[in-house]
Amino acid sequence: TQLLEQSPQFLSIQEGENLTVYCNSSSVFSSLQWYRQEPGEGPVLLVTVVTGGEVKKLKRLTFQFGDARKDSSLHITAAQPGDTGLYLCAARNTDKLIFGTGTRLQVFP
Amino acid sequence: EPEVTQTPSHQVTQMGQEVILRCVPISNHLYFYWYRQILGQKVEFLVSFYNNEISEKSEIFDDQFSVERPDGSNFTLKIRSTKLEDSAMYFCASRFSPGTTPNEQFFGPGTRLTVL
Repeated sequence: TQLLEQSPQFLSIQEGENLTVYCNSSSVFSSLQWYRQEPGEGPVLLVTVVTGGEVKKLKRLTFQFGDARKDSSLHITAAQPGDTGLYLCAARNTDKLIFGTGTRLQVFP
Repeated sequence: EPEVTQTPSHQVTQMGQEVILRCVPISNHLYFYWYRQILGQKVEFLVSFYNNEISEKSEIFDDQFSVERPDGSNFTLKIRSTKLEDSAMYFCASRFSPGTTPNEQFFGPGTRLTVL
């Protein structure tokens, strides 16, 4: 069974700080996606990374796919309260997505 | 921007009752999915559906579960006889096509199912 472990599990920071969350596995994936989920809502797709070593930027968010395509990171610069939420990584296994354990981020003003 | 919609947003039912959860996927999408998320736990895959048949299902998706695409727009999940442990958020997702696309699935807002 493929597992995606995310760390840290919880993160509370002040507005303006930088942070990085990680998504790790022992398996190689053809692609990996990052989602953000608000309480009581569905996951919202942020980005898909496909190529080993790939870096994608979405405003203050930087996503990186590991060279071996087993891990990924999400870096947020100058976090804002609006970044608060549950960040999920998900990887493709056959046609389904396997989701990570999630990182719950709280950004205080 | 097109989006996946789900109804109802919240369903409360008695144990043993049948429930049908409804989804309208994005209109040009061809692949459809159901996932569930028990409170505080990971999002888990239930079933995938393509070309009017199930393409893959998880161990959770037993004989009590069924899916249907009764017309060109709706995609439904039926639980025949609900159990307490079926209480969860149920998410519908859809994607456009296979091949070179990296399986980008778009999720609906979910239906919160509470079994009493």
